[in-house]
Amino acid sequence: DGGITQSPKYLFRKEGQNVTLSCEQNLNHDAMYWYRQDPGQGLRLIYYSQIVNDFQKGDIAEGYSVSREKKESFPLTVTSAQKNPTAFYLCASSSIGEPFNSGANVLTFGAGSRLTVL
Amino acid sequence: GENVEQHPSTLSVQEGDSAVIKCTYSDSASNYFPWYKQELGKRPQLIIDIRSNVGEKKDQRIAVTLNKTAKHFSLHITETQPEDSAVYFCAASNQRSGAGSYQLTFGKGTKLSVIP
Repeated sequence: DGGITQSPKYLFRKEGQNVTLSCEQNLNHDAMYWYRQDPGQGLRLIYYSQIVNDFQKGDIAEGYSVSREKKESFPLTVTSAQKNPTAFYLCASSSIGEPFNSGANVLTFGAGSRLTVL
Repeated sequence: GENVEQHPSTLSVQEGDSAVIKCTYSDSASNYFPWYKQELGKRPQLIIDIRSNVGEKKDQRIAVTLNKTAKHFSLHITETQPEDSAVYFCAASNQRSGAGSYQLTFGKGTKLSVIP
């Protein structure tokens, strides 16, 4: 299924609860990313990681947390501090290569997780 | 930071006609410009990309042009088919040698509808 798997596909949460979205890849990619997709808003970067045990905030990191304990895994936790968590979440991965090399740094996306806060 | 504007937000064309989607970017250091296609209910997939050392790239019915001076780039789809109906996203980033992975800034997307 494209080498990158997200779960669950659909998730419902009550207000005040933390939830964790799973992302696993078997592409041997060094870099992994989390994006949030809202209608008419494009894809906005939440967090990204280039190497195990290291990650950086993206444009909309507030209310989210991540970990990168294994190269293959990059789970995202949506905390109760996220004020508007209902959205479609996309995980992606890429190799890290020299610019202008064909295929380097191209994002491969997972199928997404749709989170609804009740 | 980078800001990418994409127009139009929706586009309807007759089958067989051409479609053009335009994006502008703000950071003159950006040097990589991919286009992703997201069909309804599916994940985004790269369809074509261009780097700042070329002005145009073509792949069958799709082409991308880049004007670095004006800081804009465009996606051109010729002889459109119903299967081209999707949301298209442009993006920009600054890839630097040795800098590792990079942050893509995406446009807000264009919903293309091809009418049979």
